[in-house]
Amino acid sequence: QSALTQPPSASGSPGQSVTISCTITSSDIGAHNYVSWFQQHPGKAPKLMIYDVTERPSGVPDRFSGSKSGNTASLTVSGLQTEDEADYYCSSYEPSSAVLFGGGTKLTVL
Amino acid sequence: QLQLQESGPGLVKPSETLSLTCSVSGGSISSDTYFWGWVRQPPGKGLEYIATIRYSGRNYYNPSLRSRVTMSLDTSKNHFSLRLSSVTAADTAVYYCATEGRYASGGFEADIWGQGTMVTVSS
Repeated sequence: QSALTQPPSASGSPGQSVTISCTITSSDIGAHNYVSWFQQHPGKAPKLMIYDVTERPSGVPDRFSGSKSGNTASLTVSGLQTEDEADYYCSSYEPSSAVLFGGGTKLTVL
Repeated sequence: QLQLQESGPGLVKPSETLSLTCSVSGGSISSDTYFWGWVRQPPGKGLEYIATIRYSGRNYYNPSLRSRVTMSLDTSKNHFSLRLSSVTAADTAVYYCATEGRYASGGFEADIWGQGTMVTVSS
């Protein structure tokens, strides 16, 4: 059974950088080349922030960046701003499990 | 600019079928450029993928929901639908429709979402 595991919380002060991890548990790690990250503010729909591990959709600030090493994908937010406070979800696809979401990480800007 | 809007009953009885529609404006669901999907979020919990459909007929489903889910496209009304059968209280959630268009790749790259609709399963 594949799964994506995120820390429940993360925090940082304005201007700092914070990294959120997404650990992929799978019998086919090599299939997880399509990691996306979504931002969700309370009461709002999710917003695509990163796709294909490292790519940013148009309009997403370059303060947001994605990476992947081995079985861990990461989202880094540089130069934290108050509006970055939100829940963040990683997502990946595996043929046997279709689309998976991580449990979400609540980012607090102190 | 593509826009999505969910509609459907806010209350469904246990064991019955939940039916939702996602109306699409600013684009055609007949375009094979897009994947059309559903995601849900139980109150206070995380996101759960339900299913994705493409005009060409390629469908993807959450294996844990596959036996209860039906997705369809209605080109005459330019909307797509979700039916979830035999619902229980565990199906209570905000249901979002979403589409992958510009950034569709090999995963779930939904860049346009509806506002979400709350569905409660209760007698």
